[in-house]
Amino acid sequence: DAKTTQPPSMDCAEGRAANLPCNHSTISGNEYVYWYRQIHSQGPQYIIHGLKNNETNEMASLIITEDRKSSTLILPHATLRDTAVYYCIVRLRGVKTSYDKVIFGPGTSLSVIP
Amino acid sequence: GAGVSQSPRYKVTKRGQDVALRCDPISGHVSLYWYRQALGQGPEFLTYFNYEAQQDKSGLPNDRFSAERPEGSISTLTIQRTEQRDSAMYRCASSLVTDTQYFGPGTRLTVL
Repeated sequence: DAKTTQPPSMDCAEGRAANLPCNHSTISGNEYVYWYRQIHSQGPQYIIHGLKNNETNEMASLIITEDRKSSTLILPHATLRDTAVYYCIVRLRGVKTSYDKVIFGPGTSLSVIP
Repeated sequence: GAGVSQSPRYKVTKRGQDVALRCDPISGHVSLYWYRQALGQGPEFLTYFNYEAQQDKSGLPNDRFSAERPEGSISTLTIQRTEQRDSAMYRCASSLVTDTQYFGPGTRLTVL
């Protein structure tokens, strides 16, 4: 089972910020939060990841709560091309481990409305 | 550089036939993952490799499914005696050791 829960769907007006929440209450101390998105039938595309500090890149911002039990992906100015399914996952990073069973949940289907 | 490639992109087969799906990861990527994705659902983990070693195959649905990565690069997912319920998109991803995954375009398998 996925270690994250997300709302199944959200709408956002074009040009406005899209805030996508994710709960990961059982995250362990060395697990990172990753976000991917999948547009139509394409393969999932990496967006951003973080451990405990807020992160920003050219695509999005990631806000992680202090207790790390939840996070929010922010698309600052949503466009129609941001319509996609967004997946939040937790996993280890950068360690040689025999356990890296990456589990995707159903994600959040974001619709950006003109 | 080149991304993850998969072949064939589309495969139509008759029930009972065996199929082999190929994944060519990004050069130098240690980890390789196989997923199956049904329409409207998230990717379902099947198995993954570090180098040539299969680390976890707990997601393979049954013993008709197998995967190998003999030289630590290209991987093949084989489905024997295909059934209609095996129809899905099969996706491969690769990453440096336990890092960001990069996904291929997928192979859409249709079993008639």
